[in-house]
Amino acid sequence: QVQLQQSGPGLVKPSQSFSLTCAISGDSVSSNSAAWNWIRQSPSRGLEWLGRTYYRSKWYKEYAVSVKSRITISPDTSKNQFSLQVNSVTPEDTAMYYCAGQGVRGIINSWGQGILVTVSS
Amino acid sequence: QSVLTQPPSASGTPGQRVTVSCSGSSSDIGKNTVQWYQQLPGTAPKLLIYSNNQRPSGVPDRFSGSKSGTSASLAISGLQSEDEAEYHCAAWDDSLNGWVFGGGTKLTVL
Repeated sequence: QVQLQQSGPGLVKPSQSFSLTCAISGDSVSSNSAAWNWIRQSPSRGLEWLGRTYYRSKWYKEYAVSVKSRITISPDTSKNQFSLQVNSVTPEDTAMYYCAGQGVRGIINSWGQGILVTVSS
Repeated sequence: QSVLTQPPSASGTPGQRVTVSCSGSSSDIGKNTVQWYQQLPGTAPKLLIYSNNQRPSGVPDRFSGSKSGTSASLAISGLQSEDEAEYHCAAWDDSLNGWVFGGGTKLTVL
């Protein structure tokens, strides 16, 4: 059973950047049948998929159009984890951020505990 | 505004059957399977239904899913107080090349 443990800051100032990390147990970030996603949730926007990374003989990274210019998702094979970096944040980036694993059936079936990131001066 | 459309709220009394709808388009629900997630207050979403109508191990058979064309439904029979939660539908969107979600339906057990 896959377990995901998130870490990162809770408060960020406008125009700055933040990074979140998701440590994986029970699977490998380099698995040929898994994909690793970042999703955020806010009252105004609901659940919003941000992007994912996965390995199929080489690394792939896919991003939502709405945030593509400001985010980077990166795998870390040495620590079996993946990360999300968001740049040039505004108050609209205030949300609960979740990492989520996509398994053999291609379905998101595991979630991290979530981290509330607040953008405020 | 979410890509998939769900009613914001639903309610029922214990023992009743309730349904939650999810409407999409030809590029998401019309082409790919639908998943349903249950989110209890203060927790992360949990997979409830996958591939339109399949239940993961441990999910009671009171929960069922269906899909027709570009719409899907979640049904909960024998409603219990512990079913009070928010329910989200999700599907892969071939045009957006990403996961899309409904806005969530908050279920109240009266």
